[in-house]
Amino acid sequence: DTGVSQNPRHKITKRGQNVTFRCDPISEHNRLYWYRQTLGQGPEFLTYFQNEAQLEKSRLLSDRFSAERPKGSFSTLEIQRTEQGDSAMYLCASSLADAAQFFGPGTRLTVL
Amino acid sequence: GDSVTQMEGPVTLSEEAFLTINCTYTATGYPSLFWYVQYPGEGLQLLLKATKADDKGSNKGFEATYRKETTSFHLEKGSVQVSDSAVYFCALSDQGFQKLVFGTGTRLLVSP
Repeated sequence: DTGVSQNPRHKITKRGQNVTFRCDPISEHNRLYWYRQTLGQGPEFLTYFQNEAQLEKSRLLSDRFSAERPKGSFSTLEIQRTEQGDSAMYLCASSLADAAQFFGPGTRLTVL
Repeated sequence: GDSVTQMEGPVTLSEEAFLTINCTYTATGYPSLFWYVQYPGEGLQLLLKATKADDKGSNKGFEATYRKETTSFHLEKGSVQVSDSAVYFCALSDQGFQKLVFGTGTRLLVSP
């Protein structure tokens, strides 16, 4: 399978805990994006990387959120001190520069 | 800022009916336009795209034409199938493809 993969697919956590999600992009893609999707809404942009550089962050990405792409390959998204409002589907996408984005299956986070 | 407006769903059709899902956008500059589809239990898949005015994107019998004068990118299909039942998202990106801005999605239900 050469598509975008995300792990875990589902995560249930208690409020106040930290969680980390992983995204493995399509191997030759140099751009990697994170989005968040809540029920009944379209995905909302969070941040994106070109190779290992994080080039843009949305205002939605509060100080509790951090993303890394240390070697320009996989990426992690960490949420510290989770809140119930963080419950959502977290989507990762990758692309070649100036090309369409391909999405992974997402990680569904439930904060109790 | 940039935004995308889609018709609200659900859209309920019988098999072989004609489909139109309306999409209009607001953007500075000359965005690229996309339709993504999300089948039940699956991730977002790129359906079609258009990168400049008057371009027509097409795939799997679906078509959409980039209309700059009406800022629209309506999705059409001449004869829908039960297997087309899904949520359809219209989206735009800036010229650098740096992020996608999505509409809220339109659910299509096709009955036999």
